[in-house]
Amino acid sequence: EVQLVESGGGLLQPGGSLRLSCAASGFTFSNYEMNWVRQAPGKGLEWVSCISSTGSTIYYADSVKGRFTISRDNAKNSLFLQMNSLRAEDTAVYYCTRLFSSWGQGTLVTVSS
Amino acid sequence: DIQLTQSPSFLSASVGDRVTITCRASQGISTYLAWYQQKPGKAPKLLIYAASTLQSGVPSRFSGSGSGTEFTLTISSLQPEDFATYYCQQLNYYPRTFGGGTKVEIK
Repeated sequence: EVQLVESGGGLLQPGGSLRLSCAASGFTFSNYEMNWVRQAPGKGLEWVSCISSTGSTIYYADSVKGRFTISRDNAKNSLFLQMNSLRAEDTAVYYCTRLFSSWGQGTLVTVSS
Repeated sequence: DIQLTQSPSFLSASVGDRVTITCRASQGISTYLAWYQQKPGKAPKLLIYAASTLQSGVPSRFSGSGSGTEFTLTISSLQPEDFATYYCQQLNYYPRTFGGGTKVEIK
């Protein structure tokens, strides 16, 4: 069974940094592109970033480009999202997803002073 | 960026109703479109991919159609468990944009 478990969310002040993790199991992680999607409270879904299976190809939404960095460790079946220069509008539940067919439960990031 | 416009944004319907949700893309995306269902506090669930292919395990009352710029999600007979918010997403271009969502509520 595919399992994705996000962690690393929390409350922090504007301008801060946070690193989200997504632990994958139940499939060959190194074979799959992975994505991060976020959802602000009461709002719709927003695609954030994706990384190819080898990590060689990466894309970002304009709203996070230059501030967020996606990465992966295929040896540890893990996906990461390094978030810097955080803003109030980055407040959201962050989901990792495999092919958009399998999703984690999400981790909440709250940016507030 | 590709813009996806869903309509309606809110829909009130009864159990047994046939429901249709539309998703219009700002430019052609072939059939690179997916539909998701999301319930409060839960992750999205993939219903349909490639515009019309039903994801494994999804009831056959859900169907999708369309290509290019206009797509529809149809629920042939609405069930109590179908009351949720539905999103379309295009996967032809980056960024992989979502529509604004359609909330289906009980009449």
